Amino acid sequence: GEDVEQSLFLSVREGDSSVINCTYTDSSSTYLYWYKQEPGAGLQLLTYIFSNMDMKQDQRLTVLLNKKDKHLSLRIADTQTGDSAIYFCAEGQDQAGTALIFGKGTTLSVSS
Amino acid sequence: DVKVTQSSRYLVKRTGEKVFLECVQDMDHENMFWYRQDPGLGLRLIYFSYDVKMKEKGDIPEGYSVSREKKERFSLILESASTNQTSMYLCASSFGGLGQPQHFGDGTRLSIL
Repeated sequence: GEDVEQSLFLSVREGDSSVINCTYTDSSSTYLYWYKQEPGAGLQLLTYIFSNMDMKQDQRLTVLLNKKDKHLSLRIADTQTGDSAIYFCAEGQDQAGTALIFGKGTTLSVSS
Repeated sequence: DVKVTQSSRYLVKRTGEKVFLECVQDMDHENMFWYRQDPGLGLRLIYFSYDVKMKEKGDIPEGYSVSREKKERFSLILESASTNQTSMYLCASSFGGLGQPQHFGDGTRLSIL
């Protein structure tokens, strides 16, 4: 069945770049998403990429997609303490009305 | 901005009670979803709805039911609450087209004593 895998923890220093990785198994996935969850809050959509794209950049965020390896990454440039949160990768399929499949989330800890 | 509002941030109920969690969205979204989030298990889909009065089971529907009488409102019902239903519950909504992202509420932290 479909599965989305992420590493559980990442620790970086303020000002460094963070790279959060995700792998998925369903080759029919058409849309891939990154969400951010701050403590005690819901999930906030950060960015998403269509499977016909290799890269998407939005200010400090860069998403890279390697469709052949089914690998997605989120790079955060100049990481700040306010970026400390749980980051979820999710995949969506080319079928209206279906739910997203989420990874278990990567906890990013940024130290000053 | 999309607004998904969950009726309570924190809720404490007793074992055996019937519990209602309410979710309202203001963007005329066709799809609505209920998840629960537990440490180490990520988000698990309980139920979703793609239209008024329509519902589909997710991965863990046992012990839950849902109601969607109006497009903007999706209710999650715990018929007889049990301690293993203590969790964070997240509601989300999206448009019905392909690739539409889901937008989440702030969550309800439910404790069953």
